[in-house]
Amino acid sequence: QSVLTQPPSVSAAPGQKVTISCSGSSSNIENNYVAWYQQLPGTAPKLLIYDNNKRPSGIPDRFSGSKSGASATLGIAGLQTGDEADYYCGTWDSSLSAGVFGGGTKLTVL
Amino acid sequence: QVQLVESGGGVVQPGRSLRLSCAASGFTFSIYAMDWVRQAPGKGLEWVAFISFDGSNKYYADSVKGRFTISRDNSKNTLYLQMNSLRAEDTAVYYCARNRGGGNNPNFDYWGQGTLVTVSS
Repeated sequence: QSVLTQPPSVSAAPGQKVTISCSGSSSNIENNYVAWYQQLPGTAPKLLIYDNNKRPSGIPDRFSGSKSGASATLGIAGLQTGDEADYYCGTWDSSLSAGVFGGGTKLTVL
Repeated sequence: QVQLVESGGGVVQPGRSLRLSCAASGFTFSIYAMDWVRQAPGKGLEWVAFISFDGSNKYYADSVKGRFTISRDNSKNTLYLQMNSLRAEDTAVYYCARNRGGGNNPNFDYWGQGTLVTVSS
């Protein structure tokens, strides 16, 4: 049981936009920064979003992040088949004094 | 270019110990916090441990507290994870990751390729 809650799966057609939610609490998301990662099959995770809504160099602006209260959202616009992957949110939990991840969301581009 | 290369994984019996290493290159290792993150087969990511840039602060997941120890040698650009009293549930791919955000803002901008630890009799 993960501290952060993500939907197990989402799907959308190529070219469409999808959002992935990440729900937490006051001890984690509400009072700390959120990061998002993409993990393609058989590879290490890759940082997509940090500090709630910032993109590292090289990440296209099709990827966006937002946060409101104790929830965060990853948006992916202009979906491509290459976006099929597992997506994870992560943050710090101040009560646990530990890093925490969501359970992951599998994106299928139909 | 930034590289993180883990080593030390393998098959180990329950109750035994193993030490993982992560060799860093391509950046100034001594100014970055580092973390270990693991992923059990077919499962999601699980944060394991954090160490500050100078080794003065360390945090652990409850699941490994008291059994695992994170450390670093900045003179060798190497991160370590000493794993004692291993259990079957510690079976996972272990990743080292560079933490660009620091202690209470973990965001991992570079990851190693991972090293598989299998705990089995």
